[in-house]
Amino acid sequence: AQTVTQSQPEMSVQEAETVTLSCTYDTSENNYYLFWYKQPPSRQMILVIRQEAYKQQNATENRFSVNFQKAAKSFSLKISDSQLGDTAMYFCASNSGTYKYIFGTGTRLKVLA
Amino acid sequence: KAGVTQTPRYLIKTRGQQVTLSCSPISGHRSVSWYQQTPGQGLQFLFEYFSETQRNKGNFPGRFSGRQFSNSRSEMNVSTLELGDSALYLCASSLGQGRADTQYFGPGTRLTVL
Repeated sequence: AQTVTQSQPEMSVQEAETVTLSCTYDTSENNYYLFWYKQPPSRQMILVIRQEAYKQQNATENRFSVNFQKAAKSFSLKISDSQLGDTAMYFCASNSGTYKYIFGTGTRLKVLA
Repeated sequence: KAGVTQTPRYLIKTRGQQVTLSCSPISGHRSVSWYQQTPGQGLQFLFEYFSETQRNKGNFPGRFSGRQFSNSRSEMNVSTLELGDSALYLCASSLGQGRADTQYFGPGTRLTVL
């Protein structure tokens, strides 16, 4: 069975600093996609970044980047130059092609001024 | 393009009642997935519909059901409501292309069961 684990329920970071959110997953599939979603206090979930398992290169979107370690089944999210607007719940998710996403329980990130 | 819309945004019901939630996907998206979000459990997958067919289902009791119409709009129904059904119900739409799919979420419907 697929699982996604986020072991950090809450984190905080000072504005302009860098923070890393952890995510581990388990799947028996060889090809799959991994995602980070952000859910700000207004509740609209938005995609932050996605990674295809077959691609060696780590995905990057502006200040957001991932550290994808396929052998270790680890998929962490790094946020550089943190901004107050980054305050949100962050969810890690996997999609192995069974027409459903598996989500982690989320990490609540607070950016401090 | 308009985003995913969900109606109503808020609902208050009493135990034993039933409720229907609606989701309109992004234009061109044929897949709609439903999730239940609670503080302790995170996002739990309910079911996914593609071209009016349910392709996958989560581990929820039969009181939870859904359907999809020919225009890809979807409804979710919960019968005989229980206090534990209080949650944020999220709908997500996508092209429905399998593992490469990116889901786009609606704002959710907050259901409170008294």
